[in-house]
Amino acid sequence: EPEVTQTPSHQVTQMGQEVILRCVPISNHLYFYWYRQILGQKVEFLVSFYNNEISEKSEIFDDQFSVERPDGSNFTLKIRSTKLEDSAMYFCASSRPGEANNEQFFGPGTRLTVL
Amino acid sequence: RKEVEQDPGPFNVPEGATVAFNCTYSNSASQSFFWYRQDCRKEPKLLMSVYSSGNEDGRFTAQLNRASQYISLLIRDSKLSDSATYLCVVRVSGGYNKLIFGAGTRLAVHP
Repeated sequence: EPEVTQTPSHQVTQMGQEVILRCVPISNHLYFYWYRQILGQKVEFLVSFYNNEISEKSEIFDDQFSVERPDGSNFTLKIRSTKLEDSAMYFCASSRPGEANNEQFFGPGTRLTVL
Repeated sequence: RKEVEQDPGPFNVPEGATVAFNCTYSNSASQSFFWYRQDCRKEPKLLMSVYSSGNEDGRFTAQLNRASQYISLLIRDSKLSDSATYLCVVRVSGGYNKLIFGAGTRLAVHP
């Protein structure tokens, strides 16, 4: 069964450093998303991406964040200058276009720890 | 007011018990409704969509009351493997498919 994959599974970085989190969505999916979950808190939407552009972003997704689909398979989230409060689990998701109830498939997540 | 509100639990129940979770949402433009399951430190996985007429999938039954902005999940004959956090999730119309998650209700099923 096709699945969303994410690398790395765990990233440790120093405050102020740039990180890039990588995702490979399911191959025939056209909508891509990033969510984050701070430990002990709810899953929060960051950004959605369709047709090579951002379709929606949340207040969390400020100028420090960017997304890119550099080729036909990868979808990346970049945090330019990490802060302590960026420590969280970051989930990538993808979905097919079309039906309103189409399922979003989540990757296993990248745990980001900012020291 | 939180967009999606759930009782955090935990619900501690014996195997075989029936347990019900409730959820309320604040945005009347909410269009689609789901229950996701999340195991500890894992990704959310879709358990079932929730339809206006109510729907059932094996031991799981979901109900939606649009007038009250209320969603429920009933689990019958609980198994040890049902132990997880159950996330109530909505999608708002015009929201480019973004999902809004509740904080989840923790279920622990014991022998």
